[in-house]
Amino acid sequence: GAGVSQSPSNKVTEKGKDVELRCDPISGHTALYWYRQSLGQGLEFLIYFQGNSAPDKSGLPSDRFSAERTGGSVSTLTIQRTQQEDSAVYLCAGSSGGSSYEQYFGPGTRLTVT
Amino acid sequence: AQSVTQLGSHVSVSEGALVLLRCNYSSSVPPYLFWYVQYPNQGLQLLLKYTTGATLVKGINGFEAEFKKSETSFHLTKPSAHMSDAAEYFCAVSASSGSARQLTFGSGTQLTVLP
Repeated sequence: GAGVSQSPSNKVTEKGKDVELRCDPISGHTALYWYRQSLGQGLEFLIYFQGNSAPDKSGLPSDRFSAERTGGSVSTLTIQRTQQEDSAVYLCAGSSGGSSYEQYFGPGTRLTVT
Repeated sequence: AQSVTQLGSHVSVSEGALVLLRCNYSSSVPPYLFWYVQYPNQGLQLLLKYTTGATLVKGINGFEAEFKKSETSFHLTKPSAHMSDAAEYFCAVSASSGSARQLTFGSGTQLTVLP
């Protein structure tokens, strides 16, 4: 594919349920980032993967949030026991590294917790 | 640590008028600076970036920005607004050294273009 893809585009879940959000980055992008966009907090960094290195989890808001990246490509963000404050748009971005580190964003997954 | 301040959460201009969106940053290391645009229900699209070299950078759709270290600013301009420029604009900063290059975003500026 030509760009970053994310699925699902929209997810409605009940409070207390677990959800999984998927990101397919551009082929060859070794760095992958997850961000959250919400009305109250704006755009926030969540987690960063670079190659086979241990991920930088410094932005995860609680231990209910986790992410993995399999084979250096697809990434899944998991939110356990969802709360209403988790409602937001979750954005994934990839970067090829190099000298500019510009990031290319997917369309996002809109999560609504009812 | 980095931070970004965007002055003006909402800016309105007439079609054909100058667009000026303000961005000031704080960074403990030399920064990389970016402007992204977001159209409704879409992801973020890179407009332009500053890394090193020329301080006046040109981007897509006629936008440009100037890195002014002394003022810690990276304001976005376009000489003549078009209706299609109506969107939300985000300024962002990342570190230019170290392994973690996550973006720190400003709170965004919603641009309205009036006919």
